[in-house]
Amino acid sequence: KQEVTQIPAALSVPEGENLVLNCSFTDSAIYNLQWFRQDPGKGLTSLLLIQSSQREQTSGRLNASLDKSSGRSTLYIAASQPGDSATYLCAVKGGGTSYGKLTFGQGTILTVHP
Amino acid sequence: GAVVSQHPSRVICKSGTSVKIECRSLDFQATTMFWYRQFPKQSLMLMATSNEGSKATYEQGVEKDKFLINHASLTLSTLTVTSAHPEDSSFYICSAKPPGLAYNEQFFGPGTRLTVL
Repeated sequence: KQEVTQIPAALSVPEGENLVLNCSFTDSAIYNLQWFRQDPGKGLTSLLLIQSSQREQTSGRLNASLDKSSGRSTLYIAASQPGDSATYLCAVKGGGTSYGKLTFGQGTILTVHP
Repeated sequence: GAVVSQHPSRVICKSGTSVKIECRSLDFQATTMFWYRQFPKQSLMLMATSNEGSKATYEQGVEKDKFLINHASLTLSTLTVTSAHPEDSSFYICSAKPPGLAYNEQFFGPGTRLTVL
C-alpha cells in the first residue's frame, strides 16, 4: 500500500526566504507526482505535475523535483511571500495495485510572515 | 478549461437525514470521477472511484450503503450520504478525469463542507 509522507508538518518563515518542502513515498511504481496548494476551507489548486519520466517541473517561483527511484520529491519556493501561506499537499498517482489512484500526504502548513 | 464544480458548497443537516452532493465537469467529459473526504487538519482520503455507467468501487472501510455514488452521465456524479450522523461531518471533494490513460491529470472541485447536527 502506497504511503506518502511530508516533512515538515509545519513551517514558519519570514518573507523573502527560499524554502524546501519534502515529500517521500514508499512505492516507486508511480505514474506521476503532483503538488497542490490548499487554502483554509477551500479546495485544491494544482501547482505542478511531474510525470514519472521527468525529473523536475518549474512554474514561476516554484520548482518541483522528482527522484522516483529513491521515492522522493521536493518543492522549492523561491523568495517566499505572505500570499504563499497555505497548506501544501503532495500526491502520487500509483501504478500496480494502486492503479490510477491518487494518494495524498498529510501536508505541510506554510506560514510566511511579513 | 478543465473546470469541475460541486454543489452545494456548504450544507448543514440534522442527524438521520440524507444529503446529496453533485460533482460536475463543466467543459470536458469525465469517464472517471473520484470522491475524497478530508477531516479537519487531515489529508484527503479516497472514498470511492466511479466510472460512468457502472458501479462505484469503494475503498476499504467505506460503507457503500451509506455513501451512495451515482455516475449517470459523463459530466455528473453524485454522492448521497444516507442517514447522516455528526461523525460524517467533513469536507467532501470530488475530482474528474477525462477519458484516456490512467495517469492523465485529475481536476478537482472546490469541495463541499457537510455539517451534521
